[in-house]
Amino acid sequence: DAKTTQPPSMDCAEGRAANLPCNHSTISGNEYVYWYRQIHSQGPQYIIHGLKNNETNEMASLIITEDRKSSTLILPHATLRDTAVYYCIPPAGNTPLVFGKGTRLSVIA
Amino acid sequence: NAGVTQTPKFQVLKTGQSMTLQCAQDMNHNSMYWYRQDPGMGLRLIYYSASEGTTDKGEVPNGYNVSRLNKREFSLRLESAAPSQTSVYFCASSEIGWGGRRLDTEAFFGQGTRLTVV
Repeated sequence: DAKTTQPPSMDCAEGRAANLPCNHSTISGNEYVYWYRQIHSQGPQYIIHGLKNNETNEMASLIITEDRKSSTLILPHATLRDTAVYYCIPPAGNTPLVFGKGTRLSVIA
Repeated sequence: NAGVTQTPKFQVLKTGQSMTLQCAQDMNHNSMYWYRQDPGMGLRLIYYSASEGTTDKGEVPNGYNVSRLNKREFSLRLESAAPSQTSVYFCASSEIGWGGRRLDTEAFFGQGTRLTVV
């Protein structure tokens, strides 16, 4: 089963790109990487997911390394409303969504 | 489209009381989950139901029971509440259940039930 490692916290200036890294060196070949975020005790919110190729949607971009051992979530123009805890979650076989501690992103004006 | 609805939103219990947290989803999802989140901590999985009629333990099942009443509803019961169960409880659902590694689906979360046991 894939385990993830994320930095506990990061700061980003408002308007700049926020790059949140995740290491998932034990991920299996057909396991997707998912990203969620949780804004101040609300229910977690899905952001994006990917398998091999880079992905982009209206919220963020996901860059996955060629060996799939790590990925980076990019918020291209961070705003104060992006302050949240960001979770990188690979599905782990027969175990459903298991959240680690995530990265607490603080966007600073 | 309501998504995932949890009731109640807030609850205060005395130690030893019982209660049931309700969760319903209107997305015709197969899988449903219950999590708890203690202050300043991440989410921990209590129980999940991969499909109607099945339930399985997660990371922290002790002190809880669940019922997958039908495809829409998944309830969490505290038989004898303890102060250690003071937490925010989140319910979630997803279209495809686990059992296969290759998943291409997202989970939707409710807004939580804030439970205090005194």
